[in-house]
Amino acid sequence: DADVTQTPRNRITKTGKRIMLECSQTKGHDRMYWYRQDPGLGLRLIYYSFDVKDINKGEISDGYSVSRQAQAKFSLSLESAIPNQTALYFCATSDRSSGANVLTFGAGSRLTVL
Amino acid sequence: GIQVEQSPPDLILQEGANSTLRCNFSDSVNNLQWFHQNPWGQLINLFYIPSGTKQNGRLSATTVATERYSLLYISSSQTTDSGVYFCAGRMDSNYQLIWGAGTKLIIKP
Repeated sequence: DADVTQTPRNRITKTGKRIMLECSQTKGHDRMYWYRQDPGLGLRLIYYSFDVKDINKGEISDGYSVSRQAQAKFSLSLESAIPNQTALYFCATSDRSSGANVLTFGAGSRLTVL
Repeated sequence: GIQVEQSPPDLILQEGANSTLRCNFSDSVNNLQWFHQNPWGQLINLFYIPSGTKQNGRLSATTVATERYSLLYISSSQTTDSGVYFCAGRMDSNYQLIWGAGTKLIIKP
């Protein structure tokens, strides 16, 4: 099994629908992140969480919300999806105790909003 | 905010060739990392290289923090090296990694 698992891997939805992307990890890392990747661009941070009670906005948090249900689970919600949220979404984890903040990524969730 | 420039944006090479990818930062950064995204979208961390040089097989990376750049060297390229290579770093005052736009590498057999 993958260390960082994202579901669903692919999703097509319509404008205005609520969408949830889920992430779970077996690495025991305390830090979790949600990133968005658009074609031809690097990743942009949506939200990050350093522990269950710590949630922080990233560079592009508008239109998104998150929930850290447990240390191992971090979900991303689009309350009312719009076409410009069509993108590849990545969950990532890192270990604070390592000091290096090296990221481990899930396989990605491709979201298409029609 | 900090800007990250990667060059070249695209690179096409024959199998067996060597290559150097560059990452320039507009300000001092720490936590410099290199990633490879394969053609199926999977992102893998290659190096954590805030300064100095590291080697891992055919890949090596060097960061000169005082001059705000990092280099990724790929020797004896293989078709499996194809994909997009990203660098990312962060400022001391901010936990967020800032990413470059990537170098798209195509290795032809």
